[in-house]
Amino acid sequence: EAGVAQSPRYKIIEKRQSVAFWCNPISGHATLYWYQQILGQGPKLLIQFQNNGVVDDSQLPKDRFSAERLKGVDSTLKIQPAKLEDSAVYLCASSPDARAYLYGYTFGSGTRLTVV
Amino acid sequence: DAKTTQPNSMESNEEEPVHLPCNHSTISGTDYIHWYRQLPSQGPEYVIHGLTSNVNNRMASLAIAEDRKSSTLILHRATLRDAAVYYCILRDNNAGNMLTFGGGTRLMVKP
Repeated sequence: EAGVAQSPRYKIIEKRQSVAFWCNPISGHATLYWYQQILGQGPKLLIQFQNNGVVDDSQLPKDRFSAERLKGVDSTLKIQPAKLEDSAVYLCASSPDARAYLYGYTFGSGTRLTVV
Repeated sequence: DAKTTQPNSMESNEEEPVHLPCNHSTISGTDYIHWYRQLPSQGPEYVIHGLTSNVNNRMASLAIAEDRKSSTLILHRATLRDAAVYYCILRDNNAGNMLTFGGGTRLMVKP
């Protein structure tokens, strides 16, 4: 089966600019997650979707970050405006349903964002 | 929240077994123990998970202590491709069903 697809693979922007990341989960996976991974740290959850609804976005900095999952398939994560501390790898993951403790996640390769 | 404690780093020789420990003394009765690994420049990859009994798959074995307060990921024969950061994760009760990553163990494999 095809894996989780993410694009772009790399992005360099100046601070205060906007950026968007795209994720296509595994076909049929109802649950989609966005994680932020700062260099040297483990991934940190930003938001969880179940189909096209948000389950948890308590860790998402909503003043600058937004995410959507139209039609319950693809998802986009946007940052506007970007700050230097947003430099990180943004990972998308999916699982068959919300019981990730049973099924686990499949991750994409991530988008490496550098804010200068 | 149930937390895990792992060594920051470990070294192994190629073709030897590797035992990666994880302590989770506050684990609840319904927490599953998951292991993921992250190779350089890639997203995390599922390795194995279990609840109470030891588990085996093509990648590794998971040995869970009888009291479930610790577990060990066993790579039976390390290769250079196994060099990665290994994360031991419990289901996070306070975050719904999501998995929360800690710092993990960086495994270095020497030829």
